[in-house]
Amino acid sequence: KAGVTQTPRYLIKTRGQQVTLSCSPISGHRSVSWYQQTPGQGLQFLFEYFSETQRNKGNFPGRFSGRQFSNSRSEMNVSTLELGDSALYLCASSATGGGNQPQHFGDGTRLSIL
Amino acid sequence: QQQVKQSPQSLIVQKGGISIINCAYENTAFDYFPWYQQFPGKGPALLIAIRPDVSEKKEGRFTISFNKSAKQFSLHIMDSQPGDSATYFCAASTGGTSYGKLTFGQGTILTVHP
Repeated sequence: KAGVTQTPRYLIKTRGQQVTLSCSPISGHRSVSWYQQTPGQGLQFLFEYFSETQRNKGNFPGRFSGRQFSNSRSEMNVSTLELGDSALYLCASSATGGGNQPQHFGDGTRLSIL
Repeated sequence: QQQVKQSPQSLIVQKGGISIINCAYENTAFDYFPWYQQFPGKGPALLIAIRPDVSEKKEGRFTISFNKSAKQFSLHIMDSQPGDSATYFCAASTGGTSYGKLTFGQGTILTVHP
């Protein structure tokens, strides 16, 4: 079974731009969660989608948004990029997103803001 | 109350030794405690997970010990190998409405010397 696939692997943007990241979950998984990983803050939960609906959201500004498509693939968008948005963005998938279900991560998208 | 505190930040162990990483939590609603292993350039990989109704779980060289009354859990890596050198994260989530949200510890960088 193929794992979680994230594209692109690397992105370089400048302040004020916007960016869209993509995540394809493990086949059959319907829940996709997004995390931001930085050296200072560690791994922080952004949001979770299931059946095209956002069910949970972390403590991030509205510049961070996402969506999920009918095939469970998900995209994350960050608008008006700031230097502090430089991070590794990870997505994880699970069967139904229940709190005690295993989550499997992709290798992330490394976003650098100049 | 949502924090998970992990220690130590870094750990150096000789090949064949035992690596021990500890985590503590405050939120008594947490009921799922996974451990993840992350290599440079890769996403976190699920190692092993435990629920509070079990005090210990073993999978190969990896063992989780769980102390519900102390609100602590730990990862033991027996017969540590250089290939185990990675960053380890403990995490916690609540069942029910946590929907994909894992709360992570800050991580432990493990180095196993040959």
